[in-house]
Amino acid sequence: DQQVKQNSPSLSVQEGRISILNCDYTNSMFDYFLWYKKYPAEGPTFLISISSIKDKNEDGRFTVFLNKSAKHLSLHIVPSQPGDSAVYFCAASRNYGNKLVFGAGTILRVKS
Amino acid sequence: DAGVIQSPRHEVTEMGQEVTLRCKPISGHDYLFWYRQTMMRGLELLIYFNNNVPIDDSGMPEDRFSAKMPNASFSNLKIQPSEPRDSAVYFCASSSGASGSRYEQYFGPGTRLTVT
Repeated sequence: DQQVKQNSPSLSVQEGRISILNCDYTNSMFDYFLWYKKYPAEGPTFLISISSIKDKNEDGRFTVFLNKSAKHLSLHIVPSQPGDSAVYFCAASRNYGNKLVFGAGTILRVKS
Repeated sequence: DAGVIQSPRHEVTEMGQEVTLRCKPISGHDYLFWYRQTMMRGLELLIYFNNNVPIDDSGMPEDRFSAKMPNASFSNLKIQPSEPRDSAVYFCASSSGASGSRYEQYFGPGTRLTVT
């Protein structure tokens, strides 16, 4: 039972354009959401997060949007850079707990 | 800070052998997590500790898997006996419950386990 779904296995974007990565969840008890980035042969690294009391959080080139009614969140990267090429994981936490449930990941390729 | 340290980085073993994976969390972090990443199941939480005490081991696949955290600086994950389906990348992560960013888990580089 996949509670966190990233339905796009991969995404290819031109350098300088916007990258939009999507994530859907099924458990309405999730109240905190995170995005992690992973390079090959490395562990995931934290990128940005959002609490369910907000609908947007911004950090430099990265913005996360949360639509609670649709149980959907997205990560926008503007402008995209070749160094952004990585696997992006969406994760969710319930009851503001420490246990994270991860999506399957989306491979982002930014072409120069 | 050296970050989360895992050893070994790669492990190849034969079916039936005992495997021990090791983790040193970031100093001062009071939460430690063990994850497994496979193509089929993605990144799944196996077990996590708070202040060296196991809090949730519901993700541990079966009794062949065990994890301990004898002190704040070390944890190990053991598989005995190992099976080919245990082949995966195993990640250790740590976080600080005291900080405002307690959800931000810091991951080690992982141990790639191959059981033949």
